[in-house]
Amino acid sequence: AQTVTQSQPEMSVQEAETVTLSCTYDTSESDYYLFWYKQPPSRQMILVIRQEAYKQQNATENRFSVNFQKAAKSFSLKISDSQLGDAAMYFCAYRETSGSRLTFGEGTQLTVNP
Amino acid sequence: DADVTQTPRNRITKTGKRIMLECSQTKGHDRMYWYRQDPGLGLRLIYYSFDVKDINKGEISDGYSVSRQAQAKFSLSLESAIPNQTALYFCATSESSGRAYNEQFFGPGTRLTVL
Repeated sequence: AQTVTQSQPEMSVQEAETVTLSCTYDTSESDYYLFWYKQPPSRQMILVIRQEAYKQQNATENRFSVNFQKAAKSFSLKISDSQLGDAAMYFCAYRETSGSRLTFGEGTQLTVNP
Repeated sequence: DADVTQTPRNRITKTGKRIMLECSQTKGHDRMYWYRQDPGLGLRLIYYSFDVKDINKGEISDGYSVSRQAQAKFSLSLESAIPNQTALYFCATSESSGRAYNEQFFGPGTRLTVL
């Protein structure tokens, strides 16, 4: 079974600085999707960014980018120019390409200090 | 209006009571899911449905049942609630999968407390 691990329960960053959230996963599949979701205090789950495993290029969405290391099974999220609104719980998630079930990591609570 | 709605948003109940959480969607998606979120554990899949006649157990289905009343409605029931079912419950939807990327869209969540 696939597993997703986020080893940082909590992280903090100063406003305008850069922070990296870590995620590792375990799978025997060669083709899959990886995701980062944001959950602000409102509880809503918001998709931040996704990566297809067959693409070597790292995904980028504005201030959010990933470092995808397929061989190491690592998928970290970098938030640049952190803003107060980035404060949230962040979840890493995995999905097989041919499936639809998401497997989530434990989550990392990000605090942004003014 | 929200595409995926959940009712109730918050619920407090007592041990042994039967509880139903409801999910409705206007996205026209075939697939629907129920997840449970616990602190330090992330979200875990309870049940999922590919269409009205196709319902599957997830990784933590014990103590739960579901009903897919229509394409747009997927309900989760706790037949006899117990305190360790206290959690945040999410419904999600997606189009049929395959090689194409299909985002899961989440409802706003239901906070359930079992005393």
